[in-house]
Amino acid sequence: EVQLQESGPGLVKPSQSLSLTCSVTGYSITSNYWGWIRKFPGNKMEWMGYISYSGSTSYNPSLKSRISITRDTSKNQFFLQLNSVTTEDTATYYCARTGSFDYWGQGVMVTVSS
Amino acid sequence: DVVLTQTPPTLLATIGQSVSISCRSSQSLLHSNGNTYLNWLLQRTGQSPQPLIYLVSKLESGVPNRFSGSGSGTDFTLKISGVEAEDLGVYYCMQFTHYPDTFGAGTKLELK
Repeated sequence: EVQLQESGPGLVKPSQSLSLTCSVTGYSITSNYWGWIRKFPGNKMEWMGYISYSGSTSYNPSLKSRISITRDTSKNQFFLQLNSVTTEDTATYYCARTGSFDYWGQGVMVTVSS
Repeated sequence: DVVLTQTPPTLLATIGQSVSISCRSSQSLLHSNGNTYLNWLLQRTGQSPQPLIYLVSKLESGVPNRFSGSGSGTDFTLKISGVEAEDLGVYYCMQFTHYPDTFGAGTKLELK
């Protein structure tokens, strides 16, 4: 069974970088597409971007200058880095298999606050 | 970006009642390859989103057949034929025909 699990700090200071890890079991990240989605307080959902089976990436234009998604195929993990965060980046962050959005992690709540 | 407009924002139902949620797109979701990449998700309180339906009308594995999806182009509908208590939560439509992928604002299903 495909399983995804997010990990990372729950609190980040404004202007710093947010870094999260998604660990995948039951399926190789060298197949399909793997991405990040976030849910803001109040239910709004935003697709952030993905990394493909080949390592190519695609990002939401609203984040393009601040976001980076990378991977470590030896550990079957992929990563999110979001730079220069503000309080508006406070959200629950999910990783998912985004070829068809059929598998999601449990999510990690990240608060941006000083 | 493609805007997905979900109605109603809140849905009050009794157990056993049939309900429908509408999702209207600002542009056609028919891809040049012939597929329509419109999915429905359910997020129960405190849980991650659960995929229900993909490609407009195909049921994900393990999803009860009281859920059904229909539509084409810009108008789509999720129907629940006989609401059960476990169906409560927030329903989202989402599209990934057009870049960037986008989500509707959600419809909260509550008990009347």
